[in-house]
Amino acid sequence: NAGVTQTPKFRILKIGQSMTLQCAQDMNHNYMYWYRQDPGMGLKLIYYSVGAGITDKGEVPNGYNVSRSTTEDFPLRLELAAPSQTSVYFCASSYRQDGSSPLHFGNGTRLTVT
Amino acid sequence: AQSVAQPEDQVNVAEGNPLTVKCTYSVSGNPYLFWYVQYPNRGLQFLLKYITGDNLVKGSYGFEAEFNKSQTSFHLKKPSALVSDSALYFCAVRGQYSTLTFGKGTMLLVSP
Repeated sequence: NAGVTQTPKFRILKIGQSMTLQCAQDMNHNYMYWYRQDPGMGLKLIYYSVGAGITDKGEVPNGYNVSRSTTEDFPLRLELAAPSQTSVYFCASSYRQDGSSPLHFGNGTRLTVT
Repeated sequence: AQSVAQPEDQVNVAEGNPLTVKCTYSVSGNPYLFWYVQYPNRGLQFLLKYITGDNLVKGSYGFEAEFNKSQTSFHLKKPSALVSDSALYFCAVRGQYSTLTFGKGTMLLVSP
């Protein structure tokens, strides 16, 4: 049981480039999330999804896009990368709708935009 | 909107001593509260949660947390710290659709 898998682990982008951060979970969780972590700032929610075909914005969605075509996958797209998007990105998933289940996190993607 | 505050950027404790990592929250209605731990270059790992019931919640690795409604606090505790407990700790409160709002994190350093 792999849990939540994120690829790549590291990436360096030039300003203006684009890329997709991949996230896959094998726990049949309906809810999935993308967070970014910046030093001293905790984690901020970028986007989330409550099921295939359904996505919604979190606290800091600007500059990002997501899709959810299957239950397992929840990729995060960065268009026109900017230095402000330098961060560590975490994908997470959750099972229960009532919020009592903890989130399961991947190991993150460290992105640097120069 | 809900929020979480972790007033200490860093907590230092000697091995074998008790530790406390503080967390206060602001939320309308009954809170669902969580503690997570992050080791270097890893994702967050769930430690414990408060949903309802007993105010003292026990979790993984000997950690426990005390929920105090009147003080809107959910402090993380451990009776005897280990060097291996050194990590970054996050308190979080549940929002809509099971999203979590996190505090800024507290670095725990346990010295031998």
